[in-house]
Amino acid sequence: QVQLVQSGAEVKKPGASVKVSCKASGYTFSSYFMHWVRQAPGQGLEWMGLIHPSAGSTTYAQKFQGRLTMTRDTSTSTVYMELSSLRSEDTAVYYCTREESGHPDWGQGTLVTVSS
Amino acid sequence: QAGLTQPPSVSKGLRQTATLTCTGSSNNVGNQGTAWLQQHQGHPPKLLSYRNNNRPSGISERFSASRSGNTASLTITGLQPEDEADYYCSAWDSSLTAWVFGGGTKLTVL
Repeated sequence: QVQLVQSGAEVKKPGASVKVSCKASGYTFSSYFMHWVRQAPGQGLEWMGLIHPSAGSTTYAQKFQGRLTMTRDTSTSTVYMELSSLRSEDTAVYYCTREESGHPDWGQGTLVTVSS
Repeated sequence: QAGLTQPPSVSKGLRQTATLTCTGSSNNVGNQGTAWLQQHQGHPPKLLSYRNNNRPSGISERFSASRSGNTASLTITGLQPEDEADYYCSAWDSSLTAWVFGGGTKLTVL
């Protein structure tokens, strides 16, 4: 079955960067877009961007342009989301989610806390 | 970026029917497939329907989705205690080139 396993919780200081990984299994990694979505405490879902694992091409939400980088390693079926210049408002749970007829598969979430 | 509009909360009784709405525009709900997600506190979202009215395998027939113009709806029949959750609609926005979400509706089963 499809599994998306994310890296563990992170605590970062303002201005730092964070890199979250999402290791995929149970399907052909290169065939489906992977999206990143975040959720601040008590808030709704916010789309950050997507990557096509085969080509490595990316599309980012305008809000994150310039400080968001998504990459992938096809040898390990892993996608990465790196967010720089962190501020307190970036404190959230970050999810990876695979796109195939909607988004049926989600990682368990990674809590990123930005605090001085 | 502009999102989709959902009522913040809906309350219904046990075994009743709840209809949740999601209003967008011709750039998203009106011309792109709408998906519905359910999220229980502390858990990742779960896909309930996609492309307006398709249910993934394993999703109860009590959940049905539809669309009329720029408004999508999720109807939940025979409400159960476990249906109490947050529900999000989502769609690709062809103008923004972005996936947009509604703000979510908190469903309370009385």
